[in-house]
Amino acid sequence: NAGVTQTPKFRVLKTGQSMTLLCAQDMNHEYMYWYRQDPGMGLRLIHYSVGEGTTAKGEVPDGYNVSRLKKQNFLLGLESAAPSQTSVYFCASSYSDNTEQYFGPGTRLTVT
Amino acid sequence: KNQVEQSPQSLIILEGKNCTLQCNYTVSPFSNLRWYKQDTGRGPVSLTIMTFSENTKSNGRYTATLDADTKQSSLHITASQLSDSASYICVVSVITGANNLFFGTGTRLTVIP
Repeated sequence: NAGVTQTPKFRVLKTGQSMTLLCAQDMNHEYMYWYRQDPGMGLRLIHYSVGEGTTAKGEVPDGYNVSRLKKQNFLLGLESAAPSQTSVYFCASSYSDNTEQYFGPGTRLTVT
Repeated sequence: KNQVEQSPQSLIILEGKNCTLQCNYTVSPFSNLRWYKQDTGRGPVSLTIMTFSENTKSNGRYTATLDADTKQSSLHITASQLSDSASYICVVSVITGANNLFFGTGTRLTVIP
């Protein structure tokens, strides 16, 4: 039981490049989330999903897209990376909207 | 405005000593309050979850308290160990929706030998 895994762990992009972050969970959770964590700020929700095939915007969705084609996977895409997207990205999953969220190990992204 | 504020921002204590971290919130309608521990370079890990009716909850050497009337919570760490060095994040949940968590900025605890 691996819990929540994220790939890659680190990535450096140049402005304008695109990439996809992959999150996978093996707990059969319905809910999945993408957060970003910046110094001096609390975790902020980018997008979330309440089930396979569904996605919704969080607090800071601009510049990101997501897809949930399979229940166990939640993908976060950056179509045209900007330096403001330099951050640590965390994926999380939960059984329902008010139960414990389990976090992945994070992806450190630098955009130059 | 829904906010979660934690104090202190950082704390250094000697191994074996106790410490208490504070969390004040203005979030409503309140559903539950969570404390997470985040080691450097890792994702947050849940320590406790408390609902409105619970005013104390323990997880080993960690004890969380909640005063829903004053909208305050504390996390007490007993007999600290070097492995307690981490950021501790207070998270408050409102009743409705998946987009329902409000995160504090965390307290960075360093335990020194």
